[in-house]
Amino acid sequence: NAGVTQTPKFQVLKTGQSMTLQCAQDMNHEYMSWYRQDPGMGLRLIHYSVGAGITDQGEVPNGYNVSRSTTEDFPLRLLSAAPSQTSVYFCASSSRGKSSPLHFGNGTRLTVT
Amino acid sequence: SQKIEQNSEALNIQEGKTATLTCNYTNYSPAYLQWYRQDPGRGPVFLLLIRENEKEKRKERLKVTFDTTLKQSLFHITASQPADSATYLCALDKKGYSTLTFGKGTMLLVSP
Repeated sequence: NAGVTQTPKFQVLKTGQSMTLQCAQDMNHEYMSWYRQDPGMGLRLIHYSVGAGITDQGEVPNGYNVSRSTTEDFPLRLLSAAPSQTSVYFCASSSRGKSSPLHFGNGTRLTVT
Repeated sequence: SQKIEQNSEALNIQEGKTATLTCNYTNYSPAYLQWYRQDPGRGPVFLLLIRENEKEKRKERLKVTFDTTLKQSLFHITASQPADSATYLCALDKKGYSTLTFGKGTMLLVSP
């Protein structure tokens, strides 16, 4: 029972490089989301999806793209990495329903130099 | 704008005592509130959910209260153990679709 799997666990990028953070869930959850966690800032919502083919912006979407081609996968793309994107990124999923709890992956720690 | 406040200072208590963590919010009327636990290097793990029409919820040694008049939730761990040491996050629903607004969390340290 893997739950939510994020890869890679750690990544170092140079400014301007692009990359994709992977997220996969095996619980058949409709809803998926990406958060970033910074010291003193708490978790902030980047993008979310309510089903395959449907995505929307969260609180801090600039510099990130998402797509949802399958129920299982929800990758997060950094188009041109900036030092301000140095953070820990968490992917979460939940079943349909307003009050469904989130299931989180264990995060990707990204450093942009 | 919506604001969620949790004690930024770590809470240090002795094993066996009851830990009480506070979550206050402003400019918001959430339909429900959730509490999560986060260990270093790990993602948050869901603990409890309480709805606006519920005053109190319990699960084993955990208890959550929700006062929509005071705009406050209290999270209690009774008979605390060193293994309860972690950061505890409260979260409010944002747009539905399980998109939550999180507080910054309070670190709990339980000493033997």
